[in-house]
Amino acid sequence: AQKITQTQPGMFVQEKEAVTLDCTYDTSDPSYGLFWYKQPSSGEMIFLIYQGSYDQQNATEGRYSLNFQKARKSANLVISASQLGDSAMYFCAMRPLQGGSEKLVFGKGTKLTVNP
Amino acid sequence: GAVVSQHPSRVICKSGTSVKIECRSLDFQATTMFWYRQFPKQSLMLMATSNEGSKATYEQGVEKDKFLINHASLTLSTLTVTSAHPEDSSFYICSASNPLTTGTRGYNEQFFGPGTRLTVL
Repeated sequence: AQKITQTQPGMFVQEKEAVTLDCTYDTSDPSYGLFWYKQPSSGEMIFLIYQGSYDQQNATEGRYSLNFQKARKSANLVISASQLGDSAMYFCAMRPLQGGSEKLVFGKGTKLTVNP
Repeated sequence: GAVVSQHPSRVICKSGTSVKIECRSLDFQATTMFWYRQFPKQSLMLMATSNEGSKATYEQGVEKDKFLINHASLTLSTLTVTSAHPEDSSFYICSASNPLTTGTRGYNEQFFGPGTRLTVL
């Protein structure tokens, strides 16, 4: 079974500063994918970044980067130069990449508030 | 590309009535669609996996007879909440899997709909 743990219910950051949102995971799958999604108050799930378990380098997408530490089973999201529009819920998720299952398992989320 | 729509975006109904929510992939054919439920301030919980032309696979604890899922075409899946009760009030989100993204991503990318907020009075 897969499990995602996000231990920070809420985080605060000043505008223009960087923030790290924590995510640890547990799985027995040999190959898996890790995802981060942003959910603003309107509710839609916005894909931010993806990391494959076999990827040698940490993923980056603009201001988003994923600090992937496989041995520690962590996949922290780093947001650089925070903007007011970054205030939202952030969910870490994972799924196996083999075996045919496409199920995504989500963590409980972290509410990020960016202060002006 | 890869847009998923849901209809309606909001619905309010009386207890005991049935509500149908549609999930459409607008510019791709989705072999698999997923239905999630999200209670306030909680995470997304997978309810069922829907494959075109076959019966949906429900997660443990989800009542099949209460949450009817129909995936009649490669672009449309519907979730019907039958005999809705106030405890069914929630945010329902669908996602659709695009098999054509396997080549670029290495996996079938899931695209989420905007969600449907159901309130049962």
